[in-house]
Amino acid sequence: DTGVSQDPRHKITKRGQNVTFRCDPISEHNRLYWYRQTLGQGPEFLTYFQNEAQLEKSRLLSDRFSAERPKGSFSTLEIQRTEQGDSAMYLCASSLVKRDRALQYFGAGTRLSVL
Amino acid sequence: RKEVEQDPGPFNVPEGATVAFNCTYSNSASQSFFWYRQDCRKEPKLLMSVYSSGNEDGRFTAQLNRASQYISLLIRDSKLSDSATYLCVVKLNTDKLIFGTGTRLQVFP
Repeated sequence: DTGVSQDPRHKITKRGQNVTFRCDPISEHNRLYWYRQTLGQGPEFLTYFQNEAQLEKSRLLSDRFSAERPKGSFSTLEIQRTEQGDSAMYLCASSLVKRDRALQYFGAGTRLSVL
Repeated sequence: RKEVEQDPGPFNVPEGATVAFNCTYSNSASQSFFWYRQDCRKEPKLLMSVYSSGNEDGRFTAQLNRASQYISLLIRDSKLSDSATYLCVVKLNTDKLIFGTGTRLQVFP
């Protein structure tokens, strides 16, 4: 499978715990994005990287959230001290920026439930 | 006001019908436009980009009206497998996508 891969697919945690999600982009893609989607809503942008540089962060990304892409390949999204409001699907996407066009392809997501 | 607005539906149509979805966006600086399809509890999948001149991909036709800040998607000869949520998406001059809440389509036999 050469698509965007996310792990784990599901995560159940108790309020106050830390969780970390991983995303492996399509291999030649240089940009990687994180979105969050709650029931009945479209995905909302969180942050994105070009190679290892984090280029933009949404105001939705509170100080409990941190994302890294240390070697410009896979990325991790960590949520510290989880709250029930963090329950959502966390989607990763990747793209190859080419001639100013960059189509984003999504992974299957990590579904987080905070109890 | 939401940046991208769509009628949530559901649109219930019989097989073979033609159905149209509309979407409006608020930021006139929006540069790129897309339709994504999302099946229940799955990830969004790119259906098609939308160009100013309008574009067609098989049974799907997308139109963009920059003056009215309006995007449409037309599906002809609906199939049962077209049942999904259709997400209208715009991109500004940064690389983040801004999604509408989606329009749910249910095609029945």
